[in-house]
Amino acid sequence: GENVEQHPSTLSVQEGDSAVIKCTYSDSASNYFPWYKQELGKRPQLIIDIRSNVGEKKDQRIAVTLNKTAKHFSLHITETQPEDSAVYFCAADSYNNNDMRFGAGTRLTVKP
Amino acid sequence: NAGVMQNPRHLVRRRGQEARLRCSPMKGHSHVYWYRQLPEEGLKFMVYLQKENIIDESGMPKERFSAEFPKEGPSILRIQQVVRGDSAAYFCASSPQGANQPQHFGDGTRLSIL
Repeated sequence: GENVEQHPSTLSVQEGDSAVIKCTYSDSASNYFPWYKQELGKRPQLIIDIRSNVGEKKDQRIAVTLNKTAKHFSLHITETQPEDSAVYFCAADSYNNNDMRFGAGTRLTVKP
Repeated sequence: NAGVMQNPRHLVRRRGQEARLRCSPMKGHSHVYWYRQLPEEGLKFMVYLQKENIIDESGMPKERFSAEFPKEGPSILRIQQVVRGDSAAYFCASSPQGANQPQHFGDGTRLSIL
């Protein structure tokens, strides 16, 4: 089945700096890669996703890149703000099981 | 369009009791997923169901845990004879189809075992 690894587990940046979170996956048949943001005590919320026919996608300060050959994808947050502080999860679909597998999460702290 | 609804939000049980967690998917969604989350940890996949069928239960313990998604009504995650180690947040998510679709999460049920 699919195995998703996520790094780093914690990330601290100064307000205004950029943050990058990286994930690798094992199933070469995976085609869909969402990113979720989870604030303390709240539900995970989808913030951006990318499909395998696209190499990069951007939504305001958030961008995701995908390298299918290397089987890794990354989340980029520019001009970080304190409200970006949260746990971020990457995920990849798994055609073996027809569902989704999540990374272990990255705790991002943006210092004002 | 109401989102994924989970209840109860908080559930307290004593060791040995049963816990029933409910999840109503978003309207039009027929795929339901259950995840478990310990404090400061990630989302651990438990089970994936479609209406009346279990598609993948590879993440669910073989004993004491069961899940269903009947033709009518919410999906139920049932934990029998709870132990302290079952204390966690249990999240449900739904999607209109299986893989390759965004999953929408509920607010979770925080289960505490006394």
